[in-house]
Amino acid sequence: GNSVTQMEGPVTLSEEAFLTINCTYTATGYPSLFWYVQYPGEGLQLLLKATKADDKGSNKGFEATYRKETTSFHLEKGSVQVSDSAVYFCACSDQAGTALIFGKGTTLSVSS
Amino acid sequence: NAGVTQTPKFQVLKTGQSMTLQCAQDMNHEYMSWYRQDPGMGLRLIHYSVGAGITDQGEVPNGYNVSRSTTEDFPLRLLSAAPSQTSVYFCASTTLAGGPRNEQFFGPGTRLTVL
Repeated sequence: GNSVTQMEGPVTLSEEAFLTINCTYTATGYPSLFWYVQYPGEGLQLLLKATKADDKGSNKGFEATYRKETTSFHLEKGSVQVSDSAVYFCACSDQAGTALIFGKGTTLSVSS
Repeated sequence: NAGVTQTPKFQVLKTGQSMTLQCAQDMNHEYMSWYRQDPGMGLRLIHYSVGAGITDQGEVPNGYNVSRSTTEDFPLRLLSAAPSQTSVYFCASTTLAGGPRNEQFFGPGTRLTVL
């Protein structure tokens, strides 16, 4: 079945630093790819998504590009803020196209 | 719209007790699912449903039952709680129209501790 591997955390950065969280996937067919974010004490919410190769998802200054040749969907942000501190999950759709397969999550901590 | 709601927010059980975690959505979504979140494990799918009267197992279904009598509700039942079921449980829903591109909407979670 499909699977997702994302970099281990925690990631600790200073405000305005550049962020990269690596994510790679294994899948048959052409899954949709997602980044979800979980703020402390809350549920998950969609950060961005891409549904086909070379698509770039973007939201709130975060970006990720669907790279089929490297089976990757790395999350980037040029200048992080304290408010970006959260757990970030990479996910792909399963073969049936309904359930999500999640990575283990990466905790980001940004200090001022 | 309230979105996806879950009750209770916190629960403590003793080993062997039973309980039901409630999940409801008001977006008329066909697809609903339950995940558990454990440290270092991400989220793992327990059960899912593609419509009223239809349920199926996910990755970690043992020890859990579900039913879907209405579009809105998708309760998760623990028949005999075990310490291994200590976790945070999330319910999610999405529309099936448009296939795998859809955003899934998550509830706020239920934090369950089994002693």
